[in-house]
Amino acid sequence: DARVTQTPRHKVTEMGQEVTMRCQPILGHNTVFWYRQTMMQGLELLAYFRNRAPLDDSGMPKDRFSAEMPDATLATLKIQPSEPRDSAVYFCASGRRDRYNEQFFGPGTRLTVL
Amino acid sequence: EDQVTQSPEALRLQEGESSSLNCSYTVSGLRGLFWYRQDPGKGPEFLFTLYSAGEEKEKERLKATLTKKESFLHITAPKPEDSATYLCAVQEGLVTTDSWGKLQFGAGTQVVVTP
Repeated sequence: DARVTQTPRHKVTEMGQEVTMRCQPILGHNTVFWYRQTMMQGLELLAYFRNRAPLDDSGMPKDRFSAEMPDATLATLKIQPSEPRDSAVYFCASGRRDRYNEQFFGPGTRLTVL
Repeated sequence: EDQVTQSPEALRLQEGESSSLNCSYTVSGLRGLFWYRQDPGKGPEFLFTLYSAGEEKEKERLKATLTKKESFLHITAPKPEDSATYLCAVQEGLVTTDSWGKLQFGAGTQVVVTP
């Protein structure tokens, strides 16, 4: 049963600290998405990659957020420095170009910045 | 300006009590409208994609329909296991090689089905 995996599942950190979230997409999926979900804003797209190349990161605060795909099996989202307003659940999703409508979401990383 | 609006925000149903959720959108040139289900503490799970007005899709007790301005998710004779938040998302405009997959989500409708 292929699934998107994310680590860590929960992260509590202090303001100013660096946070790195990791995602392993489903094998064979060539597109990876990063979303953020909060009660106030709902589910927002931060960035996405195809074949490891960034296609759109317009939803991401670029001064503190960065997203990369070091290889086809790993996507990372980094926040440096973190701020309390970054507290949210961060989801990774993956999909295939020929089945673009089905994005498979991971379980999320719940981030709390104190 | 919100481009995807879902109503109601919350819905409480008795088991077997059918109802409908609404998703209205204001994007130009709708490419596709998507329904997802999200359980507490989990990521959204894909349910349906609708592409053109008049299209309908069904899955178990769920049926999604699409008009030019809105979509409905009908829940027929719901069971407690249908309790979840249902999210609607749209993809607008011309899908280029780079733009597919970019979805705008609504705030969701939280459905609780009691025995």
